[in-house]
Amino acid sequence: EVQMLESGGGLAQPGGSLRLSCTASGFTFSTYAMIWLRQAPGKGLEWVSSITNRGDTTYYADSVKGRFTISRDNSNNTFYVQMDNLRAEDTAVYYCAKARGLGLNWFFDAWGRGTLVTVSS
Amino acid sequence: DIQLTQSPSFLSASVGDRVTITCRASQGISSFLAWYQQKPGKAPNLLIYTASTLQSGVPSRFSGSGSGTEFALTISSLQPEDSATYYCQQFNSYSFTFGGGTKVEIK
Repeated sequence: EVQMLESGGGLAQPGGSLRLSCTASGFTFSTYAMIWLRQAPGKGLEWVSSITNRGDTTYYADSVKGRFTISRDNSNNTFYVQMDNLRAEDTAVYYCAKARGLGLNWFFDAWGRGTLVTVSS
Repeated sequence: DIQLTQSPSFLSASVGDRVTITCRASQGISSFLAWYQQKPGKAPNLLIYTASTLQSGVPSRFSGSGSGTEFALTISSLQPEDSATYYCQQFNSYSFTFGGGTKVEIK
């Protein structure tokens, strides 16, 4: 059974930092691209960042580019997002997800339960 | 970025009804469209991918159709457990985007 578990959420001050982790199991982690998405309170879904299976290529939404950094450790079936210079508008439930598809045409077939990030002074 | 417009944003229907949600893309995306169901407090769950392929384990009352810019998710016979918010997602480009969501209520 595929399982994804996020950790690292919590309260951060504007301008502060947090690092989220996502540990996966139930599939061959090193063969899949992985994704971070988020959902602000009462709002819809937003793609945040993607990383290819080898970790050699990363992609970011314009809203987080230059502030967030995605990375992965295939030896530990874990990937991360380092979130710096946080803003109030980054407040959301952050989900990790497993990508599926061909080339860069990815949809998301397994999701974690989510971890809440609150940015407030 | 490719914009996705879902309609309606809310619908209320009775058990057994056939319901259809539409998703319109701002430019052609071939069949690179997925549908998700999200229940309150839970993560989204993949229902349909590549516009019409049913994800394993999803009930057959769910179906998807369309290509290019016009897509639809149909529930052939609405069940109480289908009360949820439904989102479409395009994966034509790596800057993935979602529709605004359709909340389905059971009368």
